[in-house]
Amino acid sequence: DIQMTQSPSSLSASVGDRVTITCRASQSISSYLNWYQQKPGKAPKLLIYAASSLQSGVPSRFSGSGSGTDFTLTISSLQPEDFATYYCQQSYSTPRTFGQGTRLEIK
Amino acid sequence: EVQLVESGGGLVKPGGSLRLSCAASGFTFSSYSMNWVRQAPGKGLEWVSSISSSSSYIYYADSVKGRFTISRDNAKNSLYLQMNSLRAEDTAVYYCARDLILREVVVIDYWGQGTLVTVSS
Repeated sequence: DIQMTQSPSSLSASVGDRVTITCRASQSISSYLNWYQQKPGKAPKLLIYAASSLQSGVPSRFSGSGSGTDFTLTISSLQPEDFATYYCQQSYSTPRTFGQGTRLEIK
Repeated sequence: EVQLVESGGGLVKPGGSLRLSCAASGFTFSSYSMNWVRQAPGKGLEWVSSISSSSSYIYYADSVKGRFTISRDNAKNSLYLQMNSLRAEDTAVYYCARDLILREVVVIDYWGQGTLVTVSS
């Protein structure tokens, strides 16, 4: 199985900050990498697919990059509604494993 | 509007069984692969199982293989998860989720609200 490791596990930041979350795969997954946002008590929401493509309706302050084993999710200017937990997921092979999550908290 | 509504969760004793259902609406259910994804309390997301549109391809996480069975009824627009030999570590919110292929990459684009399964004596 492909292991997905996110860093950091948690992060404190302020509104307006630029934030980067990293996801590393245990083997190359090309660009088969997706990012989801989850707020407490809610289902996850797709943000980024194929490593760098923005899902329809998602604000442009979210961006993704990377290929192979190393990927990043960047939020260019944090908004109050962005404080949530973020998960990467590989869809290169089954099982389609998730990272352990990065909790983004208000400083 | 796409809707996925899970039901069937509840409290069950270790070793017991439970059947989850997911009622789909707002899209052509028979055209999409579907998944079950779970989340233990305070923990991350874990993909559990997936089934192709015609049930030809079925996959399971190792943690549930041999105990859980995914199925679907396209005539009823419904997805199911039969869970047997339940363990405490199966305690989680179970989400029904739809697959979509974007730029050749499989994503989950819609999720239900989840149903809580608690395994405890």
